[in-house]
Amino acid sequence: GENVEQHPSTLSVQEGDSAVIKCTYSDSASNYFPWYKQELGKGPQLIIDIRSNVGEKKDQRIAVTLNKTAKHFSLHITETQPEDSAVYFCAASIGGRNYGQNFVFGPGTRLSVLP
Amino acid sequence: KAGVTQTPRYLIKTRGQQVTLSCSPISGHRSVSWYQQTPGQGLQFLFEYFSETQRNKGNFPGRFSGRQFSNSRSEMNVSTLELGDSALYLCASSRDTSGNTIYFGEGSWLTVV
Repeated sequence: GENVEQHPSTLSVQEGDSAVIKCTYSDSASNYFPWYKQELGKGPQLIIDIRSNVGEKKDQRIAVTLNKTAKHFSLHITETQPEDSAVYFCAASIGGRNYGQNFVFGPGTRLSVLP
Repeated sequence: KAGVTQTPRYLIKTRGQQVTLSCSPISGHRSVSWYQQTPGQGLQFLFEYFSETQRNKGNFPGRFSGRQFSNSRSEMNVSTLELGDSALYLCASSRDTSGNTIYFGEGSWLTVV
């Protein structure tokens, strides 16, 4: 079945620096890759997503890149701020299905932005 | 527009008991999926419902079950609770079943003692 690896597990950056989180997936049929941010005591919140027909997507300070050949995708956060501190999860859709949806999630990256 | 609503937010149960968690999806969303989140295992898919039918199921024992009502609201039930069932149970909803974006609720924190 699908397996998603995520690195690093923890990441500390200085405020204003950039942060990069990388994920790899195993199922070549996966075609949708969302990223979620989870703050303490809250549910995961979608921050950006990318589909397999696109190589890069950007939304203000956040960008995601996808390399289908290598089966990896990355989250890039520029000009980090203290409120970016949270746990970030990548996910890959289970491929090969005509209906239904479920995702395999990476183990998460705890990002700390130091003031 | 209201988000995904889950109740109760927190609950404590004793081993052997059963628990029912409720989820109201975003208005207009017909697909509801459930995930278990634990520190050791991360986010794991439980099952997904669409039009009152279970479409997909994860690798969880039969003690975990769910259902969906005609108004798309969903419930999940865990019977014969074990200590290892302590977790955050997250419900997510989506507009349809074609692999679209899922939106999570705040979750139900279950502690089994």
